[in-house]
Amino acid sequence: QQQVKQSPQSLIVQKGGISIINCAYENTAFDYFPWYQQFPGKGPALLIAIRPDVSEKKEGRFTISFNKSAKQFSLHIMDSQPGDSATYFCAANQYQGGKLIFGQGTELSVKP
Amino acid sequence: NAGVTQTPKFQVLKTGQSMTLQCAQDMNHEYMSWYRQDPGMGLRLIHYSVGAGITDQGEVPNGYNVSRSTTEDFPLRLLSAAPSQTSVYFCASADRNTEAFFGQGTRLTVV
Repeated sequence: QQQVKQSPQSLIVQKGGISIINCAYENTAFDYFPWYQQFPGKGPALLIAIRPDVSEKKEGRFTISFNKSAKQFSLHIMDSQPGDSATYFCAANQYQGGKLIFGQGTELSVKP
Repeated sequence: NAGVTQTPKFQVLKTGQSMTLQCAQDMNHEYMSWYRQDPGMGLRLIHYSVGAGITDQGEVPNGYNVSRSTTEDFPLRLLSAAPSQTSVYFCASADRNTEAFFGQGTRLTVV
């Protein structure tokens, strides 16, 4: 079964807008929640990550919001730019270096 | 610093052929793993290793074998390729307190 569910599958945003991608997980033992960014023909690269002891983490234009009781977390991209156009994956695991369980991915397109 | 290196980048196999996808990391990481990426499915874990001589199965291990004789290398073997194994394969490495670093991927087509 899919332990991490991600939505939407695709997203189109105008330049300067806010992109929001949502994920939900099932396993309450998960304690590490990274977001990966992938450009065509490349491997995924870590964008930002959070642990469940905080409700929000911000790095530049990227923010993770975390709701432990609802078992949900989301990625917000503020002031979205065409260079942000990529596929984004949420993931979860019990510890940082271990086996990552990925969501299905969101293909983001930012229109100029 | 090369990071995680995967070879080959592209491969076409005939059904029933065998091959090995190579993965090497130069960061002295304990953990290495193989994922396959299919449209709409995200990345799914095939096999995993927590150190030399130790491997474990992931979500989709059938049809694949691995071994880890050194810290640096973690090859993935397809014993008898099937069209269902057409995919993009990613190798990753990590330590207990680091992010997972991914290679550039191997695009495999089985005809």
